[in-house]
Amino acid sequence: GAGVSQTPSNKVTEKGKYVELRCDPISGHTALYWYRQSLGQGPEFLIYFQGTGAADDSGLPNDRFFAVRPEGSVSTLKIQRTERGDSAVYLCASSPSGRAETGQFFGPGTRLTVL
Amino acid sequence: AQSVTQLDSQVPVFEEAPVELRCNYSSSVSVYLFWYVQYPNQGLQLLLKYLSGSTLVESINGFEAEFNKSQTSFHLRKPSVHISDTAEYFCAVSKNDYKLSFGAGTTVTVRA
Repeated sequence: GAGVSQTPSNKVTEKGKYVELRCDPISGHTALYWYRQSLGQGPEFLIYFQGTGAADDSGLPNDRFFAVRPEGSVSTLKIQRTERGDSAVYLCASSPSGRAETGQFFGPGTRLTVL
Repeated sequence: AQSVTQLDSQVPVFEEAPVELRCNYSSSVSVYLFWYVQYPNQGLQLLLKYLSGSTLVESINGFEAEFNKSQTSFHLRKPSVHISDTAEYFCAVSKNDYKLSFGAGTTVTVRA
């Protein structure tokens, strides 16, 4: 079946601009996660959705970052007033539930470059 | 909070040679342990996981990892690597919840 998809695959923007990154999880997966992977590092947790609600947004770095999942499926990560330090690969993952033992299924990521 | 240390950032290895990727974690509570692999230009894929029970876990493509509670380690091994094993490998832990904490990754380059 189809895996997790993310669009766009690459996004180049200028400092100060607004960007939206989209994630389509595996059908039927209630849990959705966003991670950020900077160069030379492992992914870092940003936010976790269970259904439509953000159950844990403790990883969002500041209030310029916001994510939604209005119908419990597709999610959008929104970044306002982008800064050069936001450049990274943004990964989305989904899982059948929020339980760690099921593992998380990752998308290919969106590479964001802020000039 | 838990942290994950992958002791080797780069591991070059010849084809058909064995490889070991080291992973240590710090946590005051029991954790679940995972290895993910990222092939060039692809997303992260789950390679294997330790939840409970037997401390030795295996993947379908010949990798194995052993959970060692006393040493807080979860090293990944393969007795004979192939060119196709060239990838970046990430160790991750979860404290019985939804949040994964990843190590910085180990790049394995297999040479003929």
